[in-house]
Amino acid sequence: EVQLLESGGGLVQPGESLRLSCAASGFTFSNYAMTWVRQAPGKGLEWVSAISANGDGTYYTDSVKGRSTISRDNSKNTLFLQMNSLRAEDTAVYYCAKVLTPSSMNMVFDDWGQGTLVTVSS
Amino acid sequence: EVVLTQSPATLSLSPGERATLACRASQSISNYLAWYQQKPGQAPRLLIHDASNRATGIPDRFSGSGSGTDFTLTISSLEPEDFAVYYCQQRVTWPPLTFGGGTKVEI
Repeated sequence: EVQLLESGGGLVQPGESLRLSCAASGFTFSNYAMTWVRQAPGKGLEWVSAISANGDGTYYTDSVKGRSTISRDNSKNTLFLQMNSLRAEDTAVYYCAKVLTPSSMNMVFDDWGQGTLVTVSS
Repeated sequence: EVVLTQSPATLSLSPGERATLACRASQSISNYLAWYQQKPGQAPRLLIHDASNRATGIPDRFSGSGSGTDFTLTISSLEPEDFAVYYCQQRVTWPPLTFGGGTKVEI
């Protein structure tokens, strides 16, 4: 059974940093591209970032580009999102998700974690 | 950026009724559209990919259709567990990947 378990969320002040983690199990992590999607309270889904299976390709939405870094450790089956210079508008539940098809960037997400809440407030 | 517009925002129906949800893209996205279901406090769940392909384990009362700019998710006969928010998502032109604003199916 695929399991994705996010951690690292919490309450931070504007301008501070946070590192989110997503521990994966139940599948061959190194074969799958991964992504982060967020959801502000009471709002819809917003794609944040994606990374290829081997980590060579990274992609970001404009609002986090330059402030965030996605990475992965395939030896530890873990996905990361380093978020710097956090703003109030970054407040959201952050989900990690796995793509449907191995060895591709087909960007259909068939397994999701339960999410971790990031709150940016003074 | 491809903008996805979902309609209606809210759909009020009863169990057993048919639900028809629409998703319109600002430019052609071929058939590169997925549908997700999200219940309160839960992560999204993949229902349909590539416009009409049901994901593993999804009941056949869920069906998707469309291509180009206009897409439809149909739930043939609503079950109590189907009352949720539904999102469409495109993957033809990215970054950024984009989601629609969602349709809430309520009783």
